[in-house]
Amino acid sequence: QSVLTQPPSASGTPGQRVSISCSGSSSNVGSNSVNWYQQLPGTAPKLLMYSTTVRPSGVPDRFSGSKSGTSASLAISGLQSEDEADYYCAAWDDSLNGAVFGGGTKLTVL
Amino acid sequence: QLQLQQSGPGLVKPSETLSLTCTVSGGSISSTTYYWGWIRQPPGKGLEWIGNIRYSGRTYWNPSLKSRVTISVDTSKNQFSLKLSSVTAADTAVYYCARQRPDYGVPFDYWGQGTLVTVSS
Repeated sequence: QSVLTQPPSASGTPGQRVSISCSGSSSNVGSNSVNWYQQLPGTAPKLLMYSTTVRPSGVPDRFSGSKSGTSASLAISGLQSEDEADYYCAAWDDSLNGAVFGGGTKLTVL
Repeated sequence: QLQLQQSGPGLVKPSETLSLTCTVSGGSISSTTYYWGWIRQPPGKGLEWIGNIRYSGRTYWNPSLKSRVTISVDTSKNQFSLKLSSVTAADTAVYYCARQRPDYGVPFDYWGQGTLVTVSS
């Protein structure tokens, strides 16, 4: 059972905009920034978004992040086939004094 | 470009100790700027934070793993290590090492390639 809650799956057609939600609590999402990771099959996760809204160098601006209260979202606009992957949200948890992750969302591009 | 290269056995017997090493290249592990951590992913499941070691030398670990975790740093070899004792089948997972920034959301910004560790007799 993951500390952060994500929908297990999401889907969209090429060109569409999709959003993935991430729900936490006051000790993690509610009080700290959220990070997002993209994991392609058989590979290590890759940092996709940090500090809730900041894209690392090389990440397309089609990806954007937001947060409100104890919930966060990752939005992908102009969906492309190469976006098909698992997406994980994460945050620092003040009670744990460590990182907590969501269970992951499998994005399918139809 | 920073790179993290993992090494260690892929098969561990129940009740024994899992040992993995992560060698850092392209940067110094002695930097006071970063944490060095471990994450694992059971087959077909999500990510779980195991613990990290800070530049102070202090270690933090996931309470779910209780006191089975040891994380250490060898600055002479620019590497850090994970030991997980008394393993069971539930510890079967892909284990990742990663660098963690202590700011801006404390993200894991560089990852090792992952090591599948199977616990089986």
